[in-house]
Amino acid sequence: KAGVTQTPRYLIKTRGQQVTLSCSPISGHRSVSWYQQTPGQGLQFLFEYFSETQRNKGNFPGRFSGRQFSNSRSEMNVSTLELGDSALYLCASSPGVAREAFFGQGTRLTVV
Amino acid sequence: GQQLNQSPQSMFIQEGEDVSMNCTSSSIFNTWLWYKQDPGEGPVLLIALYKAGELTSNGRLTAQFGITRKDSFLNISASIPSDVGIYFCAGRSGGGADGLTFGKGTHLIIQP
Repeated sequence: KAGVTQTPRYLIKTRGQQVTLSCSPISGHRSVSWYQQTPGQGLQFLFEYFSETQRNKGNFPGRFSGRQFSNSRSEMNVSTLELGDSALYLCASSPGVAREAFFGQGTRLTVV
Repeated sequence: GQQLNQSPQSMFIQEGEDVSMNCTSSSIFNTWLWYKQDPGEGPVLLIALYKAGELTSNGRLTAQFGITRKDSFLNISASIPSDVGIYFCAGRSGGGADGLTFGKGTHLIIQP
């Protein structure tokens, strides 16, 4: 069974731009969550989707948004990029609510 | 917000030694997960724990869900070079409505 696929692996963007990251969960998994990983703050929860509905959101500004499609694939968007948004963005899929989470390889975003 | 204290921050050990690391929380968790992350990769799930007192093994790895629901530990027996990496604990509270809260990680370094 294929794992979680995130695209692209690497991105370089300029301050003020926006970016969209994509995640394809493990086949059959309906829950997708997103995390930001930085050296200073570690791994922090962004949001979680289940059956196209956002179930929960972490403590991030409204510039961070996401959505989930009917095939469970998910995207997250960051608008008006700031230098501090540079991070590894990780997507995780779960077979259900409150179950174990399997991570993709991540998208390394660099904002210059 | 919830915090997880993971210790130690780093460990320098000899190949063949046993390793022990733990996480404590200021609040109760219903799920404890342990991950390993290699440089440039996403976290890989090692062990998932769902019940207080649960003791689960995965090869040379053993993890336990603390009876108080506020702590968990991970042991690695007879360490080998490929065990090098960063180990994270993660907890989930509530009925699955919350994202995972991660510890800051334990950096395991094995000296030949």
